[in-house]
Amino acid sequence: KAGVTQTPRYLIKTRGQQVTLSCSPISGHRSVSWYQQTPGQGLQFLFEYFSETQRNKGNFPGRFSGRQFSNSRSEMNVSTLELGDSALYLCASSLRSGSGEQFFGPGTRLTVL
Amino acid sequence: QKEVEQNSGPLSVPEGAIASLNCTYSDRGSQSFFWYRQYSGKSPELIMSIYSNGDKEDGRFTAQLNKASQYVSLLIRDSQPSDSATYLCAVNLKTSYDKVIFGPGTSLSVIP
Repeated sequence: KAGVTQTPRYLIKTRGQQVTLSCSPISGHRSVSWYQQTPGQGLQFLFEYFSETQRNKGNFPGRFSGRQFSNSRSEMNVSTLELGDSALYLCASSLRSGSGEQFFGPGTRLTVL
Repeated sequence: QKEVEQNSGPLSVPEGAIASLNCTYSDRGSQSFFWYRQYSGKSPELIMSIYSNGDKEDGRFTAQLNKASQYVSLLIRDSQPSDSATYLCAVNLKTSYDKVIFGPGTSLSVIP
């Protein structure tokens, strides 16, 4: 089985711009969770989607949003980028909603200048 | 109190020794606990899950859970340099619709 894929792998943006990241889960996995990882804050939960519905949300501002398509692929969007949004964005897929048994993608490294 | 806490380390152990990694959590109703390993520059990978009080062994890894004390640990026996990584504890928070929350991680260094 192919693993979780994320595109793009690297992004450089400037403050004020917006960005869209994509995640394709393992075939058959219907849950996709998104995390932000920074050296200072660790792995922070953004949100989880299951069957095209947001099931859970972390403590991030509304500039961070996401969606899931009928094929379980997911996108997250960050609008009005700030310097502090520079981070590694990881998505993880699992079979069921709320599962801690997750498979992570390689991540998208976002740099905001 | 943070939802999931770990000693940040770094923890250094000699090759062949037992490495002990600890994690505490705040949600008394949590039922599911996980250990992930993250090598530098790589993504986290699941190495152990535990749901019942007691010990669960898998090769050189043993996860220990004590729900009364809200404590979960990971023991790595016969530590190898290849075990050098950051170990993340993750917990399903029952109070937050099974949201999975990760601890800050403990950096482990196994010295040859």
